Amino acid sequence: AQSVTQPDIHITVSEGASLELRCNYSYGATPYLFWYVQSPGQGLQLLLKYFSGDTLVQGIKGFEAEFKRSQSSFNLRKPSVHWSDAAEYFCAVGAGNTPLVFGKGTRLSVIA
Amino acid sequence: DAGVIQSPRHEVTEMGQEVTLRCKPISGHNSLFWYRQTMMRGLELLIYFNNNVPIDDSGMPEDRFSAKMPNASFSTLKIQPSEPRDSAVYFCASSLNHQGTYGYTFGSGTRLTVV
Repeated sequence: AQSVTQPDIHITVSEGASLELRCNYSYGATPYLFWYVQSPGQGLQLLLKYFSGDTLVQGIKGFEAEFKRSQSSFNLRKPSVHWSDAAEYFCAVGAGNTPLVFGKGTRLSVIA
Repeated sequence: DAGVIQSPRHEVTEMGQEVTLRCKPISGHNSLFWYRQTMMRGLELLIYFNNNVPIDDSGMPEDRFSAKMPNASFSTLKIQPSEPRDSAVYFCASSLNHQGTYGYTFGSGTRLTVV
């Protein structure tokens, strides 16, 4: 069965700084991968997804993620963080005939 | 499309009372999921349905929890009797398939407080 790890529970960045959130997965073949964002009091919103092809995928709100098979990673990046990006971010992995598996999330705080 | 609709948004109830949470999935989606989110446990999958049929309820914590999907446009999650430890945010999500090849669409959640 697939699994996903988000090593960072909480990250704080300054507004305007770059951001990278880590996600590592475990699965024998190529999974499909997702990043979701959850703002306070809201449900999870899909940011971007990877199925196949170009390993660098673009998402909404200026986010991108890169699939690296050799590192079993799918890290989320943004070149310049805005205060409104403060939220909880979840990585999810899908494979085989089972539902998506979600990571435990990384909480992003943005300071002035 | 209005997305996945959950009601109520907030529910406060006394211990021992029955609680019913409701979900309307996106039209045309064949899979429906119920999740529970807490600070301690994160996001937990409770149960999911394919074509209105429960497929895996191994995440349902106790017999006090039950879920139904009488038709393609409606599902309920019931807790009877409720306990303070059931306090959490409950999310419903729907998808074209349970494997999530197209991702899941989440509702805004129901925040349940049992006092």
